[in-house]
Amino acid sequence: EIVLTQSPGTLSLSPGDRATLSCRASQSVGSSYLAWYQQKPGQAPRLLIYGASSRATGIPDRVSGSGSGTDFTLTISRLETEDFAVYYCQQYGTSGLTFGGGTKVEIK
Amino acid sequence: EVQLVESGGGLVQPGGSLRLSCATSGFTFSSYAMSWVRQAPGKGLEWVSAISGSGGSTYYADSVKGRFTISRDNSKNTLYMQMNSLRAEDTAVYYCAKFETAATLGAFDIWGQGTMVTVSS
Repeated sequence: EIVLTQSPGTLSLSPGDRATLSCRASQSVGSSYLAWYQQKPGQAPRLLIYGASSRATGIPDRVSGSGSGTDFTLTISRLETEDFAVYYCQQYGTSGLTFGGGTKVEIK
Repeated sequence: EVQLVESGGGLVQPGGSLRLSCATSGFTFSSYAMSWVRQAPGKGLEWVSAISGSGGSTYYADSVKGRFTISRDNSKNTLYMQMNSLRAEDTAVYYCAKFETAATLGAFDIWGQGTMVTVSS
């Protein structure tokens, strides 16, 4: 099973700041099968990025994903109040499906 | 509009059983693999099980293998999860989720609102 480690656990930032979230895999994620989700309190997760760098429908271009192999990054270029939430990465390579532990982006 | 609506959650004693349902609409249900993902209170997401579009292939996390059974009725556009021998550690919100492609490995592009399962005496 591929273990995903997200860092930092909590990110304290202000609106307008740039957010950089990391997701590291215990072994290579084949063909960049890596997704990112946003979850707000009391809500279901929402798909942001799939295939490591492809934005899902309706996701603004200030949200971007990058990386390959074992190191992946989610970047939000200019935080808006709606972006403060918990973010999860997920891999879906040949070793099955696993999620990272999450990064909380909170208002500083 | 694509919708997934879960039902069937509730309070059950350890060792008991529960059947979750996920009614879907707005897409060709039989063309997509589906999955259950759970989230324990205050914790992260955990993949539980997946099923192919035809229902012929099923997959389970080790934590539920032998106790949970995923199934689907393509004539009713509905996904199910039969949960037996429930344990306290199965307490969680259970989400129904649609894969973005027909494959049973992928990202989840649509999620239901979740149904709470509490296992306690």
